[in-house]
Amino acid sequence: DTGVSQDPRHKITKRGQNVTFRCDPISEHNRLYWYRQTLGQGPEFLTYFQNEAQLEKSRLLSDRFSAERPKGSFSTLEIQRTEQGDSAMYLCASSPSHDEQFFGPGTRLTVL
Amino acid sequence: AQTVTQSQPEMSVQEAETVTLSCTYDTSESDYYLFWYKQPPSRQMILVIRQEAYKQQNATENRFSVNFQKAAKSFSLKISDSQLGDAAMYFCLTQGGSEKLVFGKGTKLTVNP
Repeated sequence: DTGVSQDPRHKITKRGQNVTFRCDPISEHNRLYWYRQTLGQGPEFLTYFQNEAQLEKSRLLSDRFSAERPKGSFSTLEIQRTEQGDSAMYLCASSPSHDEQFFGPGTRLTVL
Repeated sequence: AQTVTQSQPEMSVQEAETVTLSCTYDTSESDYYLFWYKQPPSRQMILVIRQEAYKQQNATENRFSVNFQKAAKSFSLKISDSQLGDAAMYFCLTQGGSEKLVFGKGTKLTVNP
């Protein structure tokens, strides 16, 4: 296992379209996290899963955002009716415990 | 609520010299972790060093060490013998009371040859 992977690495979409991102964590990690990073800022927490259970959600996660981790392995983050303000890098991280998080390369979303 | 402040948006250092990056934080948690992560250009974020708040001894990882002042809520990172590969965005983070990491805005470190 070479680490956390995310797909796609880049996504360009038109305003109003739906997009879905995928994250594959390190296989033995039961914790999975999503963050959003805008230019010049540090990442901001979006949501957290332990196995398949979504245990914490940020207020940043509006009704247009939904995340799943159906079998406790990979996770998807969907954004419906995208807006220009959704343009950002979306980072996924995984962890085996309440400790170091291992980050993926991110998916850069551009909404035109 | 937890907050992290990095007051230096950019820093530069000559290769082989030492540089210190500043970080202050605020938390109401009694038990928490502090981290420094680095994000090289177009590459993924990786852990540099971690510190458990209950430990008084400052963490050290090779050329990287921290100065943890719990009462002052300060957590600075010292990089000794700077190398070109140290050039990156450095983020100070805290984690406590929940699983989420709270990031500072980052310090961009440039290493001059």
